[in-house]
Amino acid sequence: EPEVTQTPSHQVTQMGQEVILRCVPISNHLYFYWYRQILGQKVEFLVSFYNNEISEKSEIFDDQFSVERPDGSNFTLKIRSTKLEDSAMYFCASRQQGAGLNQPQHFGDGTRLSIL
Amino acid sequence: DQQVKQNSPSLSVQEGRISILNCDYTNSMFDYFLWYKKYPAEGPTFLISISSIKDKNEDGRFTVFLNKSAKHLSLHIVPSQPGDSAVYFCAATLNTGNQFYFGTGTSLTVIP
Repeated sequence: EPEVTQTPSHQVTQMGQEVILRCVPISNHLYFYWYRQILGQKVEFLVSFYNNEISEKSEIFDDQFSVERPDGSNFTLKIRSTKLEDSAMYFCASRQQGAGLNQPQHFGDGTRLSIL
Repeated sequence: DQQVKQNSPSLSVQEGRISILNCDYTNSMFDYFLWYKKYPAEGPTFLISISSIKDKNEDGRFTVFLNKSAKHLSLHIVPSQPGDSAVYFCAATLNTGNQFYFGTGTSLTVIP
């Protein structure tokens, strides 16, 4: 079964540095998402992306964050200047375009981002 | 702003019995509700969903019930199996599907 893949599985970065998290969505999917989960807390929506533009973003997704689909396969999340509170598990998800909402999101296994 | 809530952080059930996981929401405009299962070190895996126009959806051992007047949904697993032990998240979305709101999760332990 096709999978969403995320790299790296664990990223350790110094505070203030830029970090890029990478995702390869399922190939025929058209909607892409980033979520994060701070340890012990809920999964929080960051941003959704469709047709090469952001569809919706949450309050968390401020100017420090950006997303890009640089080619036909990758979907990246960039954090420009990391803060300690950015430490979390980041999940990428993709969804096939369907007639309704009965096409669920498929999640990758996440990238654990640790800011030192 | 927690639009989807799971008030039970954990639940333990004997193998073979029914597991009932609950979820409440505040936004009456939600169109679609989903349940995801998550094992440690893995991403959430889709389990079952229900449209807001229905009150029940069944898939094998899993049934989701929706009570719109109470803004409540529940996931029933019967019979429960040890392999069902995981964290279960409920999620909801509006008809755009642009943003999915997740609950905080309930950790289910099925005791053999």
